[in-house]
Amino acid sequence: DAKTTQPPSMDCAEGRAANLPCNHSTISGNEYVYWYRQIHSQGPQYIIHGLKNNETNEMASLIITEDRKSSTLILPHATLRDTAVYYCIVRSPQISSGSARQLTFGSGTQLTVLP
Amino acid sequence: DAGVTQSPTHLIKTRGQQVTLRCSPKSGHDTVSWYQQALGQGPQFIFQYYEEEERQRGNFPDRFSGHQFPNYSSELNVNALLLGDSALYLCASSLFRREYNEQFFGPGTRLTVL
Repeated sequence: DAKTTQPPSMDCAEGRAANLPCNHSTISGNEYVYWYRQIHSQGPQYIIHGLKNNETNEMASLIITEDRKSSTLILPHATLRDTAVYYCIVRSPQISSGSARQLTFGSGTQLTVLP
Repeated sequence: DAGVTQSPTHLIKTRGQQVTLRCSPKSGHDTVSWYQQALGQGPQFIFQYYEEEERQRGNFPDRFSGHQFPNYSSELNVNALLLGDSALYLCASSLFRREYNEQFFGPGTRLTVL
């Protein structure tokens, strides 16, 4: 799986959009970009994933550049409860031989939403 | 719909002892993965179970073993505990046949080895 690079920390004002960048310059054509977050002392929470098109769900939007070498997770109106470590993960889809791919976590970005 | 559940929440053991952690997957899921998260680090993959077989394994010694039951629940066993085994142990469940296989995590078991 491709390696990802994220800033170690970011701050965001409550109510403003939080834009979390991720570089994955060695991504392969069939690899998806996943985002998870981990609120302190809890298990990671799936946020969103995408292949090459921009994606949006009730939690966030994912913008993937045309060359797929980087992406941005957008939390449109950050709240204090969005304070967490955000992980960007690049991962191949299912292996047809009978083994699902595990998640390889890096260090992530600590997002702090300030009141 | 219950999510992923893990037990116990916290556990304290001494060096050399053995421990068993338990996980019940999200309803409808058939695959269970286990991760170890040391303080200040991201989770590290231990192994994955599907159809009661270990399908993939990360870089962990044989002291770490597991089992999956017919109801898809799973156990993680660690023998001969070391101080370095102190960590948050996370269980994640997923549906094997989904191409993008998003994983849903439990709250974890905090293991302290003294």
